[in-house]
Amino acid sequence: SQTIHQWPATLVQPVGSPLSLECTVEGTSNPNLYWYRQAAGRGLQLLFYSVGIGQISSEVPQNLSASRPQDRQFILSSKKLLLSDSGFYLCAWSRAGNEKLFFGSGTQLSVL
Amino acid sequence: AQRVTQPEKLLSVFKGAPVELKCNYSYSGSPELFWYVQYSRQRLQLLLRHISRESIKGFTADLNKGETSFHLKKPFAQEEDSAMYYCALRGGSEKLVFGKGTKLTVNP
Repeated sequence: SQTIHQWPATLVQPVGSPLSLECTVEGTSNPNLYWYRQAAGRGLQLLFYSVGIGQISSEVPQNLSASRPQDRQFILSSKKLLLSDSGFYLCAWSRAGNEKLFFGSGTQLSVL
Repeated sequence: AQRVTQPEKLLSVFKGAPVELKCNYSYSGSPELFWYVQYSRQRLQLLLRHISRESIKGFTADLNKGETSFHLKKPFAQEEDSAMYYCALRGGSEKLVFGKGTKLTVNP
């Protein structure tokens, strides 16, 4: 069976510090991978998605970047966090051509 | 551009009452529409998709291309239906765009 792991579950970081959130998928190959941010009043905002290694599509201009160094690994990064980067970040995967997304448990990021 | 609008941030009904969660979309092509649900302390998960024309947990949703809507309906709400509901659209690519969500509370 397929599983998705996302860590850490919570993270408190000072403004200006770097960020690295990791997401891995097991039990499938060549998945589509997604990073979403869930914020109160703003719903579920698509940040990045990837259909293959090294292929990243960015949806909104922001202080964040994403990378896919391996087939089942998706990393969300920032060189210098801003206060506005605080939020709940969700990783998700789907089979290519299949719209059903499977979500991770999320990371609550607080930038202070 | 793909856009999904859920006009109601909060919706509160009594148990046994009908419920309708509204969703409107904007997309120039032929869209695929979905409803996702997040129950308390659970992960976000797919509830239903328009191409399946299915009823899940008593919920149905009909795609109305003329009104560009995909409202979620249930004739008799149950307390366990209380959750956050997201409407989502996929239009010709692998990305799925979500609305802002509606928090449904079913009161006893």
